[in-house]
Amino acid sequence: DAGVIQSPRHEVTEMGQEVTLRCKPISGHDYLFWYRQTMMRGLELLIYFNNNVPIDDSGMPEDRFSAKMPNASFSTLKIQPSEPRDSAVYFCASGLQETQYFGPGTRLLVL
Amino acid sequence: KNQVEQSPQSLIILEGKNCTLQCNYTVSPFSNLRWYKQDTGRGPVSLTIMTFSENTKSNGRYTATLDADTKQSSLHITASQLSDSASYICVVASSGDKLTFGTGTRLAVRP
Repeated sequence: DAGVIQSPRHEVTEMGQEVTLRCKPISGHDYLFWYRQTMMRGLELLIYFNNNVPIDDSGMPEDRFSAKMPNASFSTLKIQPSEPRDSAVYFCASGLQETQYFGPGTRLLVL
Repeated sequence: KNQVEQSPQSLIILEGKNCTLQCNYTVSPFSNLRWYKQDTGRGPVSLTIMTFSENTKSNGRYTATLDADTKQSSLHITASQLSDSASYICVVASSGDKLTFGTGTRLAVRP
């Protein structure tokens, strides 16, 4: 298995633009998580899904952030409009119960 | 407020030496405690997951301990190798899959 796949690996955009991050979880995993990591705040859980259904989105910072999981093999995290403070590494992870497998992350820079 | 504090923030040791990283938490109700290793530029990788009834768990040269009474955990690395250079993150889960993250300990192993 290729593991969790994220795209793009790097994204540079200008403030106000829409950003879409993509994730393909490991086949057979029924949990999918989106995290954000910054030097200041460390690792933060944004939202997680179980069987494609959003379970807890209390970590989503504000309405500019939205996440979808239309099927078991694909999820997106969208930021619209983006702001410089959204600059971070965004990780997707998938898993079965407690064990999570992280993707390589998307490094986002908003200018 | 649920909190996870890790110490030290950073650590430098010589190759072959042992070291111990600390994690103190004030998370309630407690479900499990996880240690992750994160190499620079990569996603975290799970090392151990410990439930309330477990007070020690090993994964190769990594040994985690848990004292649920004092709400402390440690990660002991034996005979360190250059590849152990990474950030080590302690994560505590409470009921309902709420996760509280530590800010990590950055370990550098020097030859």
